[in-house]
Amino acid sequence: QKEVEQNSGPLSVPEGAIASLNCTYSDRGSQSFFWYRQYSGKSPELIMSIYSNGDKEDGRFTAQLNKASQYVSLLIRDSQPSDSATYLCAVPRGKLIFGQGTELSVKP
Amino acid sequence: KAGVTQTPRYLIKTRGQQVTLSCSPISGHRSVSWYQQTPGQGLQFLFEYFSETQRNKGNFPGRFSGRQFSNSRSEMNVSTLELGDSALYLCASSLAGAEAFFGQGTRLTVV
Repeated sequence: QKEVEQNSGPLSVPEGAIASLNCTYSDRGSQSFFWYRQYSGKSPELIMSIYSNGDKEDGRFTAQLNKASQYVSLLIRDSQPSDSATYLCAVPRGKLIFGQGTELSVKP
Repeated sequence: KAGVTQTPRYLIKTRGQQVTLSCSPISGHRSVSWYQQTPGQGLQFLFEYFSETQRNKGNFPGRFSGRQFSNSRSEMNVSTLELGDSALYLCASSLAGAEAFFGQGTRLTVV
């Protein structure tokens, strides 16, 4: 089992819809979780950090953490074509452990 | 506040040569990590430095090495370049190994 797993996608949603990206992790002791967005040919950009169970909202983005079930998700409301990118989930364990990323495509 | 700066942005080298990449972290950040990203391989961890000491190392051959200076700037070196070393090399800095912020990367092409 990989330490951090994501569906590779691609995930395609229409403009204005909610995009839901999921990530599971294997280490029950993990305390913090990060979501990065990476546009094609660019470097990853940190968009959300979450440390406690529940939801954390930042604009159109909501991160959800469920430590009991060992998953963290990212919801993007009112998806825009500019949200089309690969989204990476990361967990720190001395170093950042990344999932393989989920490619999101938002269709106009 | 300046972000993470990587130089050079693009590099073309010949097989067998060596290359040195540079990374200047965000001011005050003492942790610098290096990653290699190739199409289909995802982000692969190379190594992490904290206060001039290598704290973690990924599963790469000894041709890949790095160091960190007292001002937290870091360099990575790849010797005896192979075609398979062609990749985007990313540097990330953090305060103490938590949230990491990436530089724009160095795209290395080995021909």
